[in-house]
Amino acid sequence: QKEVEQNSGPLSVPEGAIASLNCTYSDRGSQSFFWYRQYSGKSPELIMFIYSNGDKEDGRFTAQLNKASQYVSLLIRDSQPSDSATYLCAVNTPKAAGNKLTFGGGTRVLVKP
Amino acid sequence: GAVVSQHPSRVICKSGTSVKIECRSLDFQATTMFWYRQFPKQSLMLMATSNEGSKATYEQGVEKDKFLINHASLTLSTLTVTSAHPEDSSFYICSAITGVLRGYTFGSGTRLTVV
Repeated sequence: QKEVEQNSGPLSVPEGAIASLNCTYSDRGSQSFFWYRQYSGKSPELIMFIYSNGDKEDGRFTAQLNKASQYVSLLIRDSQPSDSATYLCAVNTPKAAGNKLTFGGGTRVLVKP
Repeated sequence: GAVVSQHPSRVICKSGTSVKIECRSLDFQATTMFWYRQFPKQSLMLMATSNEGSKATYEQGVEKDKFLINHASLTLSTLTVTSAHPEDSSFYICSAITGVLRGYTFGSGTRLTVV
């Protein structure tokens, strides 16, 4: 089992719809969780982080964390063509040496006009 | 916010030569930086952890003699690809921790093409 798993997609959503991305992790000791967006040929950029159970909203993005079920999700409301990218879930586990983040394989999102 | 500057953004070199990539933290001190490699349509692959003032820690399968990492100051880490071959052509990205809960800040990446 991979430490951080994501559906590779592509997740195709019409413009204006909600895109829902999921990520599961294996280490119950994980404490902080991050969502990055990566456009083709570019480096990842941080969208959101979350460390408490529940929802965290920032503009059109909402991160949801459920530690009991070991999953974290990202909702993108009012999806725009510019949201088309690969979304990476990353997890910080205290026992990981050197504060390394563990990344999922990414979910490719396509927003169609 | 925290900025990580990476240079060059793109480099083409001949097979057998060496290429140096620089990663700088512009407005903060980075005791630890990470170097990743990413092939087309694949996920990030961690190559090594760069620690200021000490030897880098390499991931399994990464040749430390081929990918030389130097982290001589709190704001600069360099990756040198020695004796480059076409199979080393890839997108190399550095990152630095900007606070545990804030995760990593990534450099803009270096597209290396070995001909």
